[in-house]
Amino acid sequence: RKEVEQDPGPFNVPEGATVAFNCTYSNSASQSFFWYRQDCRKEPKLLMSVYSSGNEDGRFTAQLNRASQYISLLIRDSKLSDSATYLCVVFRVIKAAGNKLTFGGGTRVLVKP
Amino acid sequence: EAQVTQNPRYLITVTGKKLTVTCSQNMNHEYMSWYRQDPGLGLRQIYYSMNVEVTDKGDVPEGYKVSRKEKRNFPLILESPSPNQTSLYFCASSPDRAPGGNQPQHFGDGTRLSIL
Repeated sequence: RKEVEQDPGPFNVPEGATVAFNCTYSNSASQSFFWYRQDCRKEPKLLMSVYSSGNEDGRFTAQLNRASQYISLLIRDSKLSDSATYLCVVFRVIKAAGNKLTFGGGTRVLVKP
Repeated sequence: EAQVTQNPRYLITVTGKKLTVTCSQNMNHEYMSWYRQDPGLGLRQIYYSMNVEVTDKGDVPEGYKVSRKEKRNFPLILESPSPNQTSLYFCASSPDRAPGGNQPQHFGDGTRLSIL
C-alpha cells in the first residue's frame, strides 16, 4: 500500500461548481500536511498547509481527519484557472536527524466552461 | 528574486555518460532535496540535505549521488546513467532543516532527462 494515495481523476468540473477530493495516508505518525498545485510540466507550488482544525484560504478549504487518516481539499466557485493537478504532501520525522516528505500521485482537476 | 535554479532544463544523452544536474538557491535555505517525477508514481525523493556536508537518502537513491559543499548548491550526479533514469527531476529548498509546519518547499523549474 502506498504511504499517500490520491484518486488520480480527472475530476471534470463545470465552471462555478464546487469540487472536493481526498488524500489518504497510511502512517499514523504523520505530522504535517500540505496541498500543492502543479500545472502541466511545471514545478509544484504550495497551495496551502492543512491544520488540525481545518483552514480556509479564499475559495479553498482544507480539512484533516486524523482518526480516518485523510485530508481533503474543497474548491468553491471553480475557475478555469483552477485546472491543475493537486498534490497531497505528508511529512513525518523518521529519526532524530531525519524526516520524510511523501507526495501523493496527484488528483487532476479540469474546470470547463 | 528568490528562486531555485536548475540546469540544464532539458538533456538527451546516452547510457553510461556521466552527467550532473546543478541546483542553486539564493534564499539561504538550509534544506535542499531532489525528486524525480514519473507518470503514475508521482514525486519521489532521491536525496536530501539538511545542511552543508549533511546528506541522506530518500526513497529512490540508487544510481544517484549528491554533494552539499556550500549552502546554496546541491548538484545531482548520475555517474553511469541508464534508461530507467529518464524522468522529470525537481530540486527544492526550504528554510527549515525539517520542512513541516508552515515551511513550504520552493521548487526549481524542473529538468527533463532522457537517457537513450
